[in-house]
Amino acid sequence: AQSVTQLDSHVSVSEGTPVLLRCNYSSSYSPSLFWYVQHPNKGLQLLLKYTSAATLVKGINGFEAEFKKSETSFHLTKPSAHMSDAAEYFCVVTLNYGGSQGNLIFGKGTKLSVKP
Amino acid sequence: DAGITQSPRHKVTETGTPVTLRCHQTENHRYMYWYRQDPGHGLRLIHYSYGVKDTDKGEVSDGYSVSRSKTEDFLLTLESATSSQTSVYFCAIRGRLSYEQYFGPGTRLTVT
Repeated sequence: AQSVTQLDSHVSVSEGTPVLLRCNYSSSYSPSLFWYVQHPNKGLQLLLKYTSAATLVKGINGFEAEFKKSETSFHLTKPSAHMSDAAEYFCVVTLNYGGSQGNLIFGKGTKLSVKP
Repeated sequence: DAGITQSPRHKVTETGTPVTLRCHQTENHRYMYWYRQDPGHGLRLIHYSYGVKDTDKGEVSDGYSVSRSKTEDFLLTLESATSSQTSVYFCAIRGRLSYEQYFGPGTRLTVT
């Protein structure tokens, strides 16, 4: 069965320092993986996606993630945090086989705080 | 912006009353989804649709029904609202080329 685990419920960084949000997945099939961001009282926005092409995926706003099959991980990183990055981030895996309808499974989220 | 709107955006209702939430899309996407978001649970799938009149249950479908009579509209109905259905509800559509989904702005529902 597919599942996704976000290893930290809350991460706090200082502005200008690197961001690392950790995600591990479990999948019996080749997964598609996504990161979404949700700012307070807003909808979800797609940050980036992995769909079996390049293992290092670049997204919007300077974020990137690396798919590591041997570690079943898809961690999200950014070299330098900005105050506007404060939000909740969701790691998502899709059921990627015929008949699955491509439904998404969400992690429980990581809240990122950025201190001035 | 994937052309998704939700209505109403906010609603307060009493226990036992029926409630219908509407999701409207303007880009003719085949797949549409309803999720609920609760603190500490991420998003959980309620129901989804893969075409007009074609729907199926998700992870947390008890107490909810859906209908899709037109491509552009996907309705979520709480037949008899309960306090446990207080939540934020999101509608989503699926992209045409891969499995990513695009979300509407959400509906905050409070059942008193």
